[in-house]
Amino acid sequence: DIQMTQSPSSLSASVGDRVTITCRSSQNINNYLNWYQHKRGKGHQLLIYAASSLQSGVPSRFSGSGSGTDFTLTISSLQPEDFATYYCQQSYSTPPTFGGGTKVEIK
Amino acid sequence: QVQLQESGPGLVKPSETLSLTCTVSGGSVSSDNYYWSWIRQSPGKGLEWIGYIHYSGSTDYNPSLKSRVTISLDTSKNQFSLSLTSVTAADTALYYCARADVGLVVYFDFWGQGILVTVSS
Repeated sequence: DIQMTQSPSSLSASVGDRVTITCRSSQNINNYLNWYQHKRGKGHQLLIYAASSLQSGVPSRFSGSGSGTDFTLTISSLQPEDFATYYCQQSYSTPPTFGGGTKVEIK
Repeated sequence: QVQLQESGPGLVKPSETLSLTCTVSGGSVSSDNYYWSWIRQSPGKGLEWIGYIHYSGSTDYNPSLKSRVTISLDTSKNQFSLSLTSVTAADTALYYCARADVGLVVYFDFWGQGILVTVSS
């Protein structure tokens, strides 16, 4: 299975901050990388697919980049509703696998 | 807006079978474009894909669970189900159902909120 490693596992930030989360795969996955947001008690929300494509309805402050083994999710200006846990997921090969998550907390 | 809701027992005894159902609203499990998935999350293992099913009957399972898993579809009720046999404490987890878009890139675009299943005697 392809291993997905996210960093950091948690971070504290303030409203308005620029936030960057990194995801690294154990092998080349081209651009087969997706990002999700999860708030406790709710379903996960797809933010970015194919590394950099913004899912319909997702605010433009979210962006994704990267290819190969290194990927980044950026929130350009953190909003109060963005405090949540973020996961990456590869779909290059079966089984699809997820990163361990990055919890974004209020500073 | 597609919505998914998991249901089933929250407590299962070791060695028994875990059975969960996902009810889909706002969309059809008979759609040709999507697979219907189960994913779980336990404290020790993070998010783990269990498997998915297409309305044609085609399935794909995680090799780590394949010998114990069956996913089935009930188009008349717009539901799909998970059966996991011979459970142990390691199967204690939050279980999510989700819709998978399996175009060029496979992603899960709608998820249920999850159901906690504890394996204990």
